[in-house]
Amino acid sequence: DQQVKQNSPSLSVQEGRISILNCDYTNSMFDYFLWYKKYPAEGPTFLISISSIKDKNEDGRFTVFLNKSAKHLSLHIVPSQPGDSAVYFCAASVNPYEKLTFGTGTRLTIIP
Amino acid sequence: DTGVSQNPRHKITKRGQNVTFRCDPISEHNRLYWYRQTLGQGPEFLTYFQNEAQLEKSRLLSDRFSAERPKGSFSTLEIQRTEQGDSAMYLCASSSLTGMNTEAFFGQGTRLTVV
Repeated sequence: DQQVKQNSPSLSVQEGRISILNCDYTNSMFDYFLWYKKYPAEGPTFLISISSIKDKNEDGRFTVFLNKSAKHLSLHIVPSQPGDSAVYFCAASVNPYEKLTFGTGTRLTIIP
Repeated sequence: DTGVSQNPRHKITKRGQNVTFRCDPISEHNRLYWYRQTLGQGPEFLTYFQNEAQLEKSRLLSDRFSAERPKGSFSTLEIQRTEQGDSAMYLCASSSLTGMNTEAFFGQGTRLTVV
């Protein structure tokens, strides 16, 4: 039972353009959502998070949007840079201190 | 503090052997988590500790797996009688229950190959 889904295994975006990564979840108990970035042979690196009381959170070039009624969140990266090429994982938990449930990831490739 | 540290980075073992991995969390982080990641999948939760207490174990954690966190500092994950299906990346993460930042920070992982 995949409670967090990332339906796009891969995405290619031109450098300087916007990258939009999507994530859907099924468990209505999830209240806290995060995005992690992962390079090969490294552990996931935290990018940005959002709690269910908000619908948007920004940090520099990264913005996460949450649509609770649709059980959908997205990560926007503007402008996209070559160093953004990595696998991005969406994760969710029932509160900030509990275990994370991850999606299967989206491989983002930024084309120079 | 250099972050979450995991050792070894790589381990190749023969089927049936026992292996043990170590995780040193960020100092003063109360919570320590173990996850497993296989090819093409996201990390899957195995177990977590608050200080020295093991609070939850996943159904993925069979009887051959045991984890400890003595004194609430570093943690070990042992797999007994390894099977080829145990081949995966084992990730450790830690987080703090206090302060503004509660997100989990991950180590670089231990890649286990069972031959």
